[in-house]
Amino acid sequence: DQQVKQNSPSLSVQEGRISILNCDYTNSMFDYFLWYKKYPAEGPTFLISISSIKDKNEDGRFTVFLNKSAKHLSLHIVPSQPGDSAVYFCAAKAQGTALIFGKGTTLSVSS
Amino acid sequence: EAGVAQSPRYKIIEKRQSVAFWCNPISGHATLYWYQQILGQGPKLLIQFQNNGVVDDSQLPKDRFSAERLKGVDSTLKIQPAKLEDSAVYLCASRRSTNSPLHFGNGTRLTVT
Repeated sequence: DQQVKQNSPSLSVQEGRISILNCDYTNSMFDYFLWYKKYPAEGPTFLISISSIKDKNEDGRFTVFLNKSAKHLSLHIVPSQPGDSAVYFCAAKAQGTALIFGKGTTLSVSS
Repeated sequence: EAGVAQSPRYKIIEKRQSVAFWCNPISGHATLYWYQQILGQGPKLLIQFQNNGVVDDSQLPKDRFSAERLKGVDSTLKIQPAKLEDSAVYLCASRRSTNSPLHFGNGTRLTVT
């Protein structure tokens, strides 16, 4: 049973436009959410996080939005750049538990 | 700071053989994890250590997988005997404290033929 779902396997966006990656979760005990970015042949790298007491967190071009009632979070990248092309994983955890990852969304940004 | 180091980067073995992976976490990171990432899936936790003690190994197939973290620093993950379905990337990660982000190594890609 998947507790963290990324329903879009891939997303294509033009350089300069907004990329929106979505993630849904089922476990209401999750209180901390993260996005990781992964390039081929490398391990995932931390991008941005949000705790359940917030509904938005911003870091430069990256913003994460959390809608607890809908059990949904999204990552916005504005403006998108070709170097943003990678696999993006959504991850979530509850207190005292390990991170659970979604299956990932492959973002392709064309110039 | 130096990142999480893993070796080897690649390993090809035949089914029923054994294999071992090594991980050196970031200095000062007490918590260490081993994840398995099968192609097209997200990383799945195999085992979590806090210093040299096991915190969570509920998803570790203990009939064939074993892991240890002697002295609370380096860790090894072993598979014996390997099966075809063990083909995956094995990722080691560490973190400094609760709710600090995980830092991943580049992983070991295992192919079982």
